Amino acid sequence: QLQLQESGPGLVKPSETLSLTCTVSGGSISSRSYYWDWIRQPPGKGLEWIGSIYYSGSTSYNPSLKSRVIISVDTSKNQFSLKLSSVTAADTAVYYCARHQGGIEAFDIWGQGTMVTVSS
Amino acid sequence: DIVMTQSPDSLAVSLGERATINCKSSQSVLYSSNNKNYLAWYQQKPGQPPKLLIYWASTRESGVPDRFSGSGSGTDFTLTISSLQAEDVAVYYCQQFYSTPLFTFGPGTKVDIK
Repeated sequence: QLQLQESGPGLVKPSETLSLTCTVSGGSISSRSYYWDWIRQPPGKGLEWIGSIYYSGSTSYNPSLKSRVIISVDTSKNQFSLKLSSVTAADTAVYYCARHQGGIEAFDIWGQGTMVTVSS
Repeated sequence: DIVMTQSPDSLAVSLGERATINCKSSQSVLYSSNNKNYLAWYQQKPGQPPKLLIYWASTRESGVPDRFSGSGSGTDFTLTISSLQAEDVAVYYCQQFYSTPLFTFGPGTKVDIK
């Protein structure tokens, strides 16, 4: 069964770059039917889609974050990654990686999430 | 951008009773080419990631109990829990996949036991 696992620092200083990796296990990130996404959730708040990547490297980003976000994929490691630059306290959130199944247009598998706090 | 709204913000329902959650999109999420509504519902329990319940507005994900059902088309959608169980206490979110590159979620509806 396919699983996703986020990893990365839990604390990032303001103005620095947040970097997270999602490792896909139990299946291939190169499957043509799927996109791989990042979603975040500030404490006690709702869900915000950050962006998406296809195994080929094609990306799409939330326009409100586009200037600060880079999502990349490493098919050899079955991983995809998120970089969010110039972070502020407003970027403090649980960050989830998720599989977006293109056939049904839904996030059908999610990682457990990782809490990232932006603080000096 | 498509804005998603949900009502109510929260509701409390007795065990075994029906719970109804409404979701409205600021524009239609119905793709005329395939007549499918690009609208999904998720359940999120405390400390857990969201779980997909419904896609295409009314298709239950595999393994989801049949007490969960989705309905609606265009801009107005409903998630119904026909007989609330204790394990259904959660926050429920709708999400549209019609508008790229921005897949927006509703603000969530919290369901509790009365």
